[in-house]
Amino acid sequence: DAGVIQSPRHEVTEMGQEVTLRCKPISGHNSLFWYRQTMMRGLELLIYFNNNVPIDDSGMPEDRFSAKMPNASFSTLKIQPSEPRDSAVYFCASSLRGSQKKLFFGSGTQLSVL
Amino acid sequence: SQQGEEDPQALSIQEGENATMNCSYKTSINNLQWYRQNSGRGLVHLILIRSNEREKHSGRLRVTLDTSKKSSSLLITASRAADTASYFCATDASESGAGSYQLTFGKGTKLSVIP
Repeated sequence: DAGVIQSPRHEVTEMGQEVTLRCKPISGHNSLFWYRQTMMRGLELLIYFNNNVPIDDSGMPEDRFSAKMPNASFSTLKIQPSEPRDSAVYFCASSLRGSQKKLFFGSGTQLSVL
Repeated sequence: SQQGEEDPQALSIQEGENATMNCSYKTSINNLQWYRQNSGRGLVHLILIRSNEREKHSGRLRVTLDTSKKSSSLLITASRAADTASYFCATDASESGAGSYQLTFGKGTKLSVIP
């Protein structure tokens, strides 16, 4: 199994630009999570989906952030417009319902907003 | 807000020594998990301990859980240079319910194993 696949691995953009992060979960997993990691705040849960349906987006910091999961094998996290304080590593993770919430993480996207 | 808090923030040991990391949390939990993160990579699940368990082993890993003190420890025995990584505890709060997936991570312990 290829594991959770995220793209791009690195993204450098200028303030105000739109950023789209992509994630392919492990085949057969029915829950998908987006986390953000910074030195100051650690790992923060932004949003999670269950069977492609957003369940809890209370961690999404602002309306500038949006996430979609059009099918079981693909999700996007979009930031529009981006700001320097959005600079962080964004992780996607997936899990199988009933697995006691063991998460499988992708390698992350390192986002730098200049 | 952080549910789990690891201690120490950083730990440096010689290869072959044991490494102990601690995690404290605030609310009742269903289970507690430990993850490892190598530099520049995603987190990897190591071990899960349920709230009704007190100790669990997996290879060179030993995890204990004291629900009365709301704390857990991760022991890595006979450490190797390859164990150098950050280690995170994650808690699944019991009030979150079976249908919720609120897994909350601490800020981690950075372990350096010197060859």
